This record gives sequence, structure tokens and C-alpha cells, in this order.
Amino acid sequence: KAGVTQTPRYLIKTRGQQVTLSCSPISGHRSVSWYQQTPGQGLQFLFEYFSETQRNKGNFPGRFSGRQFSNSRSEMNVSTLELGDSALYLCASSLTQSNTEAFFGQGTRLTVV
Amino acid sequence: AQSVTQPDIHITVSEGASLELRCNYSYGATPYLFWYVQSPGQGLQLLLKYFSGDTLVQGIKGFEAEFKRSQSSFNLRKPSVHWSDAAEYFCAVGPHTGNQFYFGTGTSLTVIP
Repeated sequence: KAGVTQTPRYLIKTRGQQVTLSCSPISGHRSVSWYQQTPGQGLQFLFEYFSETQRNKGNFPGRFSGRQFSNSRSEMNVSTLELGDSALYLCASSLTQSNTEAFFGQGTRLTVV
Repeated sequence: AQSVTQPDIHITVSEGASLELRCNYSYGATPYLFWYVQSPGQGLQLLLKYFSGDTLVQGIKGFEAEFKRSQSSFNLRKPSVHWSDAAEYFCAVGPHTGNQFYFGTGTSLTVIP
């Protein structure tokens, strides 16, 4: 059974640009959540999607958005990139919203220059 | 407010020695508790979780953790550390519904041969 797949693994963008990151959850998993990991702030919750609906949102500006498709794949988008958006973005999937166990992908390393 | 404290930023142990990583949490309700491990450049791997029942839980790779409600703690232990255990360890709390985890800042483990 394939794990959580995040693409791309590495990304370099320029300030002001926008970026889209992709997450394919484990087959059958319907809940996808996103986290930002930085050395200064640690792991911070961005948002969670279940059945194509955003269920929870963390304390991030509106430049950060996401969506989930009918096949449970999810994308997150960051517009007007800032240097501080440089981070490892992690996606986690779980079977349902009942928080039994979340499986994390390897992440996308975003560098903003 | 929900929070997780891992008081030890970095720990160094000799191979074969015992290990205890500390975790204290603050949560408004009975939490679900987790320990994750992260190797450099990788995502998070679940070591163990506590939902209810026996307060001593066993995980993968020989790890165990004990939930102590009176101390709001969920410390991770291993009786004999292997060099391959060197990594970053994260304690997390989460609700019974949804995957909005709150992570500690992590403890970096170095294992000396």
C-alpha cells in the first residue's frame, strides 16, 4: 500500500510568486491535513480537509489556501510568497475524521528567495 | 489553550543506555496523545499513540510511553538505545475528532557509539 505522496519534494520560488503543492493520501483515506514546519515555529497546523470540505483552519493569513478533490487528493496554494514562507510543508492523511492515526508524507521543501 | 512542552531541546545518550524524553501537555479535554519521530529530510513516523485504557502504551522500535493524567505528562522511554534511533522526536496532542494536532518543539536525540 503506497504511503502519502507529496509533490514536488523540493521547490525554489521568488518572492511575490505563487506556489501549489500537491498531496495524494493513502488509498481509502478521506481526511487530509497540512502542516508547516520551520526551525523557529516548529510544526504548525494549516488546515484540514474531509470530503472536499475544509473542516479546520489554523492561524495563517489568507494567502494560504487549499482544496480537496473528489478522489481525496489535496492541494495547497500560497500566493504572494514571502521569505518567511520558506519551510517544510507536510501533509498527513487519515482514514476518517475520527483521529485514529495520521500518516505523514515526506514533505515539500519550499525555499523562497 | 492547547499546548505541548518538550523541555529538552537536545539529548545525547550512549548506545545501549536507556532513554526518556519528556512531554507535558495542556489541553481542555481528554486528549489523544502521540509520539512521532522524524529523520533528517523526512516526514513524521508514528511511534505510538494513547487514546484510552492502559496508561502504558507500547510502540514500534521498542519504544513505550506512559500517560500520567495527574502530571499532564506523556513521557517516551526506551530501555536500550540504538545508533539508528538518532532523530528528532515530537510529542503531539489532538482532539477526538479531526486531525488538528498540536506539536511540541521537538527533542533532538544524538546517540554516541
